[in-house]
Amino acid sequence: GAVVSQHPSRVICKSGTSVKIECRSLDFQATTMFWYRQFPKQSLMLMATSNEGSKATYEQGVEKDKFLINHASLTLSTLTVASAHPEDSSFYICSARDPGTYEQYFGPGTRLTVT
Amino acid sequence: AQSVTQLGSHVSVSEGALVLLRCNYSSSVPPYLFWYVQYPNQGLQLLLKYTSAATLVKGINGFEAEFKKSETSFHLTKPSAHMSDAAEYFCAVSEDSGYALNFGKGTSLLVTP
Repeated sequence: GAVVSQHPSRVICKSGTSVKIECRSLDFQATTMFWYRQFPKQSLMLMATSNEGSKATYEQGVEKDKFLINHASLTLSTLTVASAHPEDSSFYICSARDPGTYEQYFGPGTRLTVT
Repeated sequence: AQSVTQLGSHVSVSEGALVLLRCNYSSSVPPYLFWYVQYPNQGLQLLLKYTSAATLVKGINGFEAEFKKSETSFHLTKPSAHMSDAAEYFCAVSEDSGYALNFGKGTSLLVTP
């Protein structure tokens, strides 16, 4: 099956710094990727839809200036958490949509801890 | 808007017993329904999905789910639980193939010896 990778798998940063998370589709080109976040013991919540070559679509309540999404190529979308704070600590998971089958494939997730 | 409700945040079964995880959906259009499994600190693995074909869907690892429109349900079952089935299970819905998913709150499955 198709593979989606995320890098890094876990990151610890100090409050006020920015963190970039990469999501890559390894064996297909994904014009659309989704970013979710998952708080401990909770479900996944959609943050934004990332479309290659255009601006991301953010869900209500998600700050676009804080969670910067760039989908510059058909295999890579990045999520940058700007000026991270402890409340941003979470598990961030991306998924990529195969344009041929419309199947979604999830990455393994990135654990962000802001101290 | 579409949503799913998972009944029971924690389910405990004995090894070898039937697994039943409940999911009810709400959708204004014919839904696409999914079950995912998540092991600790890992991403999601698709168990099975319903896309308006057969109402009984067979997935990986011996799991299956039945779409019941009259009950707006999509419960997940497995005849005989294995210790390795202990994980978090999420039901999800989307309005079409390839659209973003709306997830339920998850059910933590515990399998006891």
